[in-house]
Amino acid sequence: AQSVTQPDIHITVSEGASLELRCNYSYGATPYLFWYVQSPGQGLQLLLKYFSGDTLVQGIKGFEAEFKRSQSSFNLRKPSVHWSDAAEYFCAVRRDSGYALNFGKGTSLLVTP
Amino acid sequence: DVKVTQSSRYLVKRTGEKVFLECVQDMDHENMFWYRQDPGLGLRLIYFSYDVKMKEKGDIPEGYSVSREKKERFSLILESASTNQTSMYLCASSLIRNSPLHFGNGTRLTVT
Repeated sequence: AQSVTQPDIHITVSEGASLELRCNYSYGATPYLFWYVQSPGQGLQLLLKYFSGDTLVQGIKGFEAEFKRSQSSFNLRKPSVHWSDAAEYFCAVRRDSGYALNFGKGTSLLVTP
Repeated sequence: DVKVTQSSRYLVKRTGEKVFLECVQDMDHENMFWYRQDPGLGLRLIYFSYDVKMKEKGDIPEGYSVSREKKERFSLILESASTNQTSMYLCASSLIRNSPLHFGNGTRLTVT
């Protein structure tokens, strides 16, 4: 079954520093991959998606992600983190049916001054 | 912008009660979903619907049922609420197959 793993439960980054959140997927064919962000008390907001084509994907809020088939990874990056980026981040992969998504368990990002 | 509205942000119910969680989307999306979110477990799919009156079980359907009588509305029903159903419930919709999901703000349900 399609699945994603987020190895880091918590990450702390200083404001202005760069950020990389890891996501590894398990899927035989080319996966449809997503990153979502959840601020406290809110639902999930789509940051970016990868279906095919260019392996470097640009998203909202200055985020980007790179699909690496050789490493089965889809890591999220941001060159300079802002305090407002503190949130929970979820990686997700499309299920075989094409409708629903399977989510990782999330990475909680803390931004320090 | 897509709007997915969940009728309650917070809900407190007693064990054994029948509970209805309502979700409405305003963008004529074909597909709607119910997930529950628990600390350390991420999001788990309960049910989804790919058309009016069509539904499919997700990974954890036990103790839940759903109803989709109109395209814009998808209800999650807890037939007899139990304390292990205390959770955050997230509704989502998507336009067509393979398109991204858009989420509501969630309903935090406490069963006492």
